[in-house]
Parts: sequence; structure tokens; C-alpha cells
Amino acid sequence: EAGVTQFPSHSVIEKGQTVTLRCDPISGHDNLYWYRRVMGKEIKFLLHFVKESKQDESGMPNNRFLAERTGGTYSTLKVQPAELEDSGVYFCASSPRGIGNTIYFGEGSWLTVV
Amino acid sequence: RKEVEQDPGPFNVPEGATVAFNCTYSNSASQSFFWYRQDCRKEPKLLMSVYSSGNEDGRFTAQLNRASQYISLLIRDSKLSDSATYLCVVSPLNTGTASKLTFGTGTRLQVTL
Repeated sequence: EAGVTQFPSHSVIEKGQTVTLRCDPISGHDNLYWYRRVMGKEIKFLLHFVKESKQDESGMPNNRFLAERTGGTYSTLKVQPAELEDSGVYFCASSPRGIGNTIYFGEGSWLTVV
Repeated sequence: RKEVEQDPGPFNVPEGATVAFNCTYSNSASQSFFWYRQDCRKEPKLLMSVYSSGNEDGRFTAQLNRASQYISLLIRDSKLSDSATYLCVVSPLNTGTASKLTFGTGTRLQVTL
């Protein structure tokens, strides 16, 4: 069974440009999460989808970040316009609905803004 | 102050050694506790959940002290393959799921011959 897949794995963009990260969760997982780790800091929660609905977006840093999950399958995270401090690794994760289920992380999308 | 504090290390230990990592958390409402393992430039992977009574999984033992808001991980008989960063993780939800996890910065372990 395929795990959580993320695309692109690496991206280098200039300040002011737009980047869209994509996440394909494990098939059948209703819960989808975005986390990120910026240089020297801990991994931090961004938001949580249950199917296509945003359950919790309290971790989104500002309105330059837009996450969507149309149809409740894959998700995209768009950064527009990108700033230098957005550099880091963006992890997507998914889990089945229900209590006691393990979360599975993707390998991350490494973003460098120059 | 960080919500989850860990000694960043690195801890350099010889194969076969016993090593212990500690972690403290500030949110007394935290309900679920975990240790994750992260290899270099890879994703975090769940190592084990941590229960109030303490729990063991092979060479790994986790302890939780809610009164002190303190979590520990003990690794016995270290292997080269244990080399990784160990992340202390808490969640305010008592669901066992991983929604809105709060991560520590991690403790790096290097096991040597």
C-alpha cells in the first residue's frame, strides 16, 4: 500500500513567487494534516482536514498560506507570495478516522526561498 | 518558553550502551504523549506512545510523570541503527490520534562502534 506522498520533494523559488505543494494521503484516510519545520525550530502544526472540511487551521502563519482539499482526497498548500522565512520542510500526514489510529507522515517537501 | 523542551544533544554512545532522553512539557492539559523517531532528512515515524503506567517495547522503555510534566525514553543495548533524532511529542487530545501534535526540537543520538 502506498504511503503519504508529497510533491515536489524539493523546490527552490525566489522571494515573491508562488509555490504549490501537493499531498496525497493514504487511500481512505479522512484526516489530513499539514505541518512544517523551519530551520532550527521544531515541527509545528499548520492545519487539519477531515475529508474536505478544515477542522482546525489555527497553525496557519498568515494569509499568504492557503490549503485546500477539494473532494476530500489530495490536498494542496499554496504559498503566495513566498518570503524567505517560509523556507523549511513541509510535512503532510494522514490518519484514518477514529480513536487510537496512528498518523503517517510523508517524506516532506523541502522549500527554499531565495 | 517552548511547549515541549528537549536536550538537543547530540548524545554519542557506544554500541551496547544504555541511553536516556528526557522531555518536559508546559501544557498541563496535554493528554496524549509519544516518542517519534526521525532519520536524517526523512519523515518522523511513531516509535511508541507513552502511558501513565509506563510502557516497554523491546529495548525501549517510556515513562510519563504527569505531576512533573516529564516524559522519558530509555534505550537499552543501543544499536548502530538507533542513530536518529528522537522527538518528544504531546497532544491535548485524549483520542490517541495525532491531531495537532506539539513537537519538541528533538534529541540527536549517534551510536558508534
